[in-house]
Amino acid sequence: GESVGLHLPTLSVQEGDNSIINCAYSNSASDYFIWYKQESGKGPQFIIDIRSNMDKRQGQRVTVLLNKTVKHLSLQIAATQPGDSAVYFCAENGQAGTALIFGKGTTLSVSS
Amino acid sequence: NAGVMQNPRHLVRRRGQEARLRCSPMKGHSHVYWYRQLPEEGLKFMVYLQKENIIDESGMPKERFSAEFPKEGPSILRIQQVVRGDSAAYFCASSPRQGPAETQYFGPGTRLLVL
Repeated sequence: GESVGLHLPTLSVQEGDNSIINCAYSNSASDYFIWYKQESGKGPQFIIDIRSNMDKRQGQRVTVLLNKTVKHLSLQIAATQPGDSAVYFCAENGQAGTALIFGKGTTLSVSS
Repeated sequence: NAGVMQNPRHLVRRRGQEARLRCSPMKGHSHVYWYRQLPEEGLKFMVYLQKENIIDESGMPKERFSAEFPKEGPSILRIQQVVRGDSAAYFCASSPRQGPAETQYFGPGTRLLVL
């Protein structure tokens, strides 16, 4: 389940700041993790993924960090822009390896 | 290169009616997943299908809900005798292969409102 103090339901940042969104996952056997961005009225959009044999992966302006010891995942967004405003979900692959298990979302608000 | 397509985007039904939600996966994808999202919550897995087969329905309610993915045509999620608690956004995702590390790509969802 969620670790108290790690998950924030909302995050407000200024344009240009770096954002860090945290997620605690539930299953120590999970070996694949994804971050999705969901804008209002839309479906989840793939941002970045990471496998359990890695602890860091970088994309364009985004970095995902994985700490398997404490079952913690984070998404870092560099130079946050107003277009980054959305709800962000982490997801892990389920026990059977097919269903994704979604964490509680974090609503990111970027003000200019 | 069309993504996952869902229709209708919005569906209004009265209690007791049937709801049919359709999903066309991305081109080349033969694996389809259905999820439900209640307001202010994350997505919850319902069912995973391949062409003509239900692979995992562990998240499906035991009654009133069914899903299919025929050889030809879209995947259908069917809800019989809808109740107000069925009001939610229903998302379909697809992937090209099966496996724990296969990324699932989501459609825009169908928002069901039961009056």
